Amino acid sequence: SQQGEEDPQALSIQEGENATMNCSYKTSINNLQWYRQNSGRGLVHLILIRSNEREKHSGRLRVTLDTSKKSSSLLITASRAADTASYFCATDANQAGTALIFGKGTTLSVSS
Amino acid sequence: GAVVSQHPSRVICKSGTSVKIECRSLDFQATTMFWYRQFPKQSLMLMATSNEGSKATYEQGVEKDKFLINHASLTLSTLTVTSAHPEDSSFYICSAMDLGATADTQYFGPGTRLTVL
Repeated sequence: SQQGEEDPQALSIQEGENATMNCSYKTSINNLQWYRQNSGRGLVHLILIRSNEREKHSGRLRVTLDTSKKSSSLLITASRAADTASYFCATDANQAGTALIFGKGTTLSVSS
Repeated sequence: GAVVSQHPSRVICKSGTSVKIECRSLDFQATTMFWYRQFPKQSLMLMATSNEGSKATYEQGVEKDKFLINHASLTLSTLTVTSAHPEDSSFYICSAMDLGATADTQYFGPGTRLTVL
């Protein structure tokens, strides 16, 4: 089953612009995570935000979480061509030790 | 950081043959590992939860007799795709939970690309 829905499905921007991706989920969660996946490659963990947190930063990344709306956003500032990848949110269905449930993903293309 | 490996990284096989994929936690012990499948341009879908020393738990729609999972040790889980068919061609990714870390810490392997001819 799929927990999250990302939007947009695809996003094309120029280098230097900011990219915002959104994720919605259905059930209560302990935390929400964002991953990046380059074409045909494995997952890279970007950031984890807990259900009692509202915002978190890591370098050029800013993640927000609104548990009342069951949604999260990932902002990449000053994007680079190397940021071109698919981005997925993943949640844990509010139970420790369970598998992550992934959203459908946003494909980001950054052109120079 | 914790490392999870998968072997092989890429495999091509003929229809009807079986393929075994290994998932290893290299520097930590994992009682629980997860197997995901990802079709082209799609997201990861959970196939099964692999528990050391017990039977795997399969997600709805995943055939347990076709996708055999063995988790014989705290560092190794294997997924065997039996009698593979072209529709089984996919990217298979495992993840492992670190016993020694917080319960929500999972580490992903690099994935195995399976192509069935």
